[in-house]
Amino acid sequence: GQNIDQPTEMTATEGAIVQINCTYQTSGFNGLFWYQQHAGEAPTFLSYNVLDGLEEKGRFSSFLSRSKGYSYLLLKELQMKDSASYLCAAKDSNYQLIWGAGTKLIIKP
Amino acid sequence: GAGVSQSPSNKVTEKGKDVELRCDPISGHTALYWYRQSLGQGLEFLIYFQGNSAPDKSGLPSDRFSAERTGGSVSTLTIQRTQQEDSAVYLCASSESVGSGNTIYFGEGSWLTVV
Repeated sequence: GQNIDQPTEMTATEGAIVQINCTYQTSGFNGLFWYQQHAGEAPTFLSYNVLDGLEEKGRFSSFLSRSKGYSYLLLKELQMKDSASYLCAAKDSNYQLIWGAGTKLIIKP
Repeated sequence: GAGVSQSPSNKVTEKGKDVELRCDPISGHTALYWYRQSLGQGLEFLIYFQGNSAPDKSGLPSDRFSAERTGGSVSTLTIQRTQQEDSAVYLCASSESVGSGNTIYFGEGSWLTVV
């Protein structure tokens, strides 16, 4: 079956760095997405990786290893507003998005 | 439109009533998705449209749920004989197409409460 695994919850300190891991098992692969979702709001797009390596976008970076079925989202210089759920999703061979349950990130002062 | 628009934003209905949720995707987006999210839970895929056709209806929870899309634009999700377990936020999203790199953009959701 198809599956996305990510930690349920993580806690980090304001100003620090945090890495949120995601492993995926899909029938075929057509890219991996990260979304941010604040409580009570819709998910918003953060990043897309289809080739191996690191994509950097400001304080956020996303990494992909297709051979390992693994991705991570790296958040630097954490701010209180980064407290949110982070959703990992992989596209399968039919271009359907398989979603993880999300990682709730709690930022402490 | 500028973004994905959903209506109503909030709906409280009595158990057993039918409800209709509407989604207006980003102009020009051919792919449209419906998801359901219960409080504190992940996204549950319901159905997607490519144009007006729905290749994958496997996510619809029961035959009380149906969806249609006409004119390649607006979509409606209908829930018949609502039950309390249908209470959730129903999220609509759209993308240019279903292709690999196409980002999907979400609407603000329709919050459904069945009492």
